[in-house]
Amino acid sequence: QQPVQSPQAVILREGEDAVINCSSSKALYSVHWYRQKHGEAPVFLMILLKGGEQKGHDKISASFNEKKQQSSLYLTASQLSYSGTYFCGTESRSGNTPLVFGKGTRLSVIA
Amino acid sequence: DVKVTQSSRYLVKRTGEKVFLECVQDMDHENMFWYRQDPGLGLRLIYFSYDVKMKEKGDIPEGYSVSREKKERFSLILESASTNQTSMYLCASNPGGDNEQFFGPGTRLTVL
Repeated sequence: QQPVQSPQAVILREGEDAVINCSSSKALYSVHWYRQKHGEAPVFLMILLKGGEQKGHDKISASFNEKKQQSSLYLTASQLSYSGTYFCGTESRSGNTPLVFGKGTRLSVIA
Repeated sequence: DVKVTQSSRYLVKRTGEKVFLECVQDMDHENMFWYRQDPGLGLRLIYFSYDVKMKEKGDIPEGYSVSREKKERFSLILESASTNQTSMYLCASNPGGDNEQFFGPGTRLTVL
């Protein structure tokens, strides 16, 4: 079952902050975040694992609430380059299980 | 740098044709995946493979098959293309474990 992302779309002015949420109805082992710019491939941002480990870019901030089966991606002091569609992908257990991606959140940053 | 390449960026086929989409990765990754991406639906998994000659169905395998004869190559096959298979197809790979997926640039397939 696909995780639910919110909001579906958001428009920001440069310098503003945004939070993108990802919620699952199943217990989660990990949450992955990707950004896709128009016409390009999705690019990895971060992995958050059960137990608190995180892997990813230093400039990206995210949280993972295992009890609530939710993750949030925090975009602070947004730049024009942050524009794109953000996807979360979830795993319900460790090991070779494929990610289930949400429908995406379209973020537009304007000057 | 990891590189995932796909054989075509754009492809136009006719209904009923057999279509092959090729994906090659150059980093010796164990795992490979095929997704389709449609507006408002996100990335949906068609098939995946965790080893050579191994394949598993994803969420939407109907109308598709795959082949993985070599570790670096994962092919998606549309046996008889239909108009509802018009979509963007993305291939991805990862080395396994808790690691990121690397995506190819995508193939935009139009079936007329």
